[in-house]
Amino acid sequence: EVQLVESGGGLVQPGRSLRLSCAASGFTFDDYAMHWVRQAPGKGLEWVSGINWNSGSIDYAASVKGRFTISRDNAKNSLYLQMNSLRVEDTALYHCVTDNQISTSWIFESWGQGTLVIVSS
Amino acid sequence: EIVLTQSPATLSLSPGERATLSCRASQSISNNLAWYQHKPGRAPRLLIYDASNRATGIPARFSGRGSGTDFTLTISSLEPEDFVVYYCQHRYNWPPHFGGGTKVEIK
Repeated sequence: EVQLVESGGGLVQPGRSLRLSCAASGFTFDDYAMHWVRQAPGKGLEWVSGINWNSGSIDYAASVKGRFTISRDNAKNSLYLQMNSLRVEDTALYHCVTDNQISTSWIFESWGQGTLVIVSS
Repeated sequence: EIVLTQSPATLSLSPGERATLSCRASQSISNNLAWYQHKPGRAPRLLIYDASNRATGIPARFSGRGSGTDFTLTISSLEPEDFVVYYCQHRYNWPPHFGGGTKVEIK
């Protein structure tokens, strides 16, 4: 069974940084591209960033480009999101998500429960 | 950016009834559309990808159709656990984008 467990969320002041982690199990991690998708309180889903199996292809939503960095460690079956210069509008539940292919197809197959990030002074 | 508009925002039906959810794209996206189910406090679940392909383990009562700009998700006979929120999402180009959601509630 696919398991994706996010961690690293919390309350942070605007302008500060936070690093999210996702521990994956139950599948061959380096057979899949991975993504972060977020949901702000009371809002819909928003794709944040994606990375292919070997980190050779990475992309970001315009709202986070230049501030967030996605990475993965296939030896540790882990996905990360380094979030810098955080803004109030980054407040959301952040989900770790598998693609359904080795490259980024943007089909979001399996989802974690999410980790909550609150940006507030 | 391609915008997806879901309708209705809320659908009030009874268990056993048929639900038809709509998703319209602001330009043609071929068949590059997926549907997700989201129960409060739970992880979203992929139901349908590429407009009409059921994801692994998804019951046959869920079906999708459409191409171009107009898509539908049909739930043939609503079960109690189906009364949650549904999102469509395109993957035609960057950035992939979700619709605003349709809430299916018990009438």
